[in-house]
Amino acid sequence: KAGVTQTPRYLIKTRGQQVTLSCSPISGHRSVSWYQQTPGQGLQFLFEYFSETQRNKGNFPGRFSGRQFSNSRSEMNVSTLELGDSALYLCASSLPQANGETQYFGPGTRLLVL
Amino acid sequence: AQSVTQLGSHVSVSEGALVLLRCNYSSSVPPYLFWYVQYPNQGLQLLLKYTSAATLVKGINGFEAEFKKSETSFHLTKPSAHMSDAAEYFCAVSRDSGYSTLTFGKGTMLLVSP
Repeated sequence: KAGVTQTPRYLIKTRGQQVTLSCSPISGHRSVSWYQQTPGQGLQFLFEYFSETQRNKGNFPGRFSGRQFSNSRSEMNVSTLELGDSALYLCASSLPQANGETQYFGPGTRLLVL
Repeated sequence: AQSVTQLGSHVSVSEGALVLLRCNYSSSVPPYLFWYVQYPNQGLQLLLKYTSAATLVKGINGFEAEFKKSETSFHLTKPSAHMSDAAEYFCAVSRDSGYSTLTFGKGTMLLVSP
């Protein structure tokens, strides 16, 4: 079974621009979560989507948004980019389980904001 | 609120030596606990998961972790380190069933010398 895929893998943008990142979950997985990883803050949860609905949201400004499509693919958008948005953005997918959901991560999209 | 503390941002061992990476958690409900590994320029790979079925959990690549409720710990061990184990290791906790959102520790970089 193919793993979680993320596109693009690398991205360079300038301050003020916007960016859209894409994530395709493992086949059959209906939950997609997004995390931001930076050297200073570590891994921080952005939001989670399940069946096209946002199920949970982290503590990030409204510039960060996401959506999920009927095929479970997800996109996240960051508007008005700031230098501090430079990070590795990780997507993870999971399947509901009785003994706790396990998240499987993609390779990430590395965003550099200049 | 949940939190995870990983003691030691860097751990150095010699090849063949015991690996011990420490993780303590706080959670108001019985948690699900995870260890993930991240190799350079890659996403997170699941090593193992605690679900309360057994306190000693065996994972991939010879790693195992023991859940100790009295100490609120979930330390990761491997009897004999290999050069290929050099990577960053993250401990994470999630809430009970129905939620997949992970709260991560800051990570521990494992350095293995020949």
